[in-house]
Amino acid sequence: DAGVTQSPTHLIKTRGQQVTLRCSPKSGHDTVSWYQQALGQGPQFIFQYYEEEERQRGNFPDRFSGHQFPNYSSELNVNALLLGDSALYLCASSSRTGSGYTFGSGTRLTVV
Amino acid sequence: GIQVEQSPPDLILQEGANSTLRCNFSDSVNNLQWFHQNPWGQLINLFYIPSGTKQNGRLSATTVATERYSLLYISSSQTTDSGVYFCPYDSSYKLIFGSGTRLLVRP
Repeated sequence: DAGVTQSPTHLIKTRGQQVTLRCSPKSGHDTVSWYQQALGQGPQFIFQYYEEEERQRGNFPDRFSGHQFPNYSSELNVNALLLGDSALYLCASSSRTGSGYTFGSGTRLTVV
Repeated sequence: GIQVEQSPPDLILQEGANSTLRCNFSDSVNNLQWFHQNPWGQLINLFYIPSGTKQNGRLSATTVATERYSLLYISSSQTTDSGVYFCPYDSSYKLIFGSGTRLLVRP
């Protein structure tokens, strides 16, 4: 049973560029959430996608956008990258039937 | 907003020692999970424990939802237990994380 898969694992981008991160949910899960984790802090909620729509959004600027595809996989896009966007980006999947969230291994983004 | 307080913030153990990690919440909890974040960053689900007590090997967890707290017991700690432990609050469509408990188990 495949868990949550994220790609790429590491990424280095230049300030001002755009980046796309990808996530495939755990088999049987239909909901995908994205989190940003700065060094030494707990993850912060970015947004959640369900039925291909953004269901809830955290306190992040519009530079952060996402998408969910019919197969439940998801993308996180960040435009006009800032140095402060350097972080570990975590994807979590879940289902309406409950039993909690499953996280992927994350994508470590470095903006230089 | 919801507050998640984790204690202790940092913990250093000698291999083989036991420990208790605690999470306090500012509101009644539901759908509580305990996670272990390994040195590579992955959040690994330890327990899904909305209430009551569960045990899995050397680990056990207790949640008292109405008292707004949860405990994680680690017995006979091993170096592989090192990392950061989180117990986020499930607020409908999002998890609210505290700062975590950073555990270092020395050989």
